[in-house]
Amino acid sequence: EVQLVESGGGLVQPGRSLRLSCKASGFTFGNYVMTWVRQASGKGLEWVGLIRSKAYGATTEYAASVKGRFTISRDESKNIVYLQMNSLKSEDTAVYYCTRDKDESSGYYYGLDYWGQGALVTVSS
Amino acid sequence: DIQMTQSPSTLSASVGDRVTITCRASQSITSWVAWYQQRPGKAPRILIYQESSLESGVPSRFSGNGSGTDFTLTISSLQADDFATYYCQHYNSYSRTFGQGTEVEIK
Repeated sequence: EVQLVESGGGLVQPGRSLRLSCKASGFTFGNYVMTWVRQASGKGLEWVGLIRSKAYGATTEYAASVKGRFTISRDESKNIVYLQMNSLKSEDTAVYYCTRDKDESSGYYYGLDYWGQGALVTVSS
Repeated sequence: DIQMTQSPSTLSASVGDRVTITCRASQSITSWVAWYQQRPGKAPRILIYQESSLESGVPSRFSGNGSGTDFTLTISSLQADDFATYYCQHYNSYSRTFGQGTEVEIK
């Protein structure tokens, strides 16, 4: 069974940092692009960024709203993807979802087919 | 960057109604469009990928269509379970872009 479990959310002051983790299981983690999506309370879904598989250099892409402040990384030995958030702002307050993205071994895109339960990040003084 | 504009923002309908939600891309795109359903307090769930492919386990009353700039999600006969918010999403090699969402509410 595919599972994505986020952790590391919480209350943080503006300007500080926080790191979210997403533990993946039930699939060949190394084959997949992993994506973070966030949702502010009462608002829509916003793509945050993605990390390609190690085979594709574990390269990353980010939304303009977080570029230069957020960093996504992955640990293949632990099947974990991380979201390092620096210089946090009040507008970063949201539930952050870890999602399974493209299967790079097949080359097909099946959408964001598995989602974690979400981690709440609140940026406030 | 490609923008995805959904309409309507809110849709009032009754059980048994046929419902169509539209997503318009800011420029012509290939069929890399997915649709998601989100119930309150829950993570989104994928319904459709690659414009018209039904995700395993999703009822056949959901269907996707479109090409170029205009894409649609249709629910052929609305059920009580279907009152939720729906999002379209575009994929390309360097980003994923969501529409702003359509809330389907009970009339």
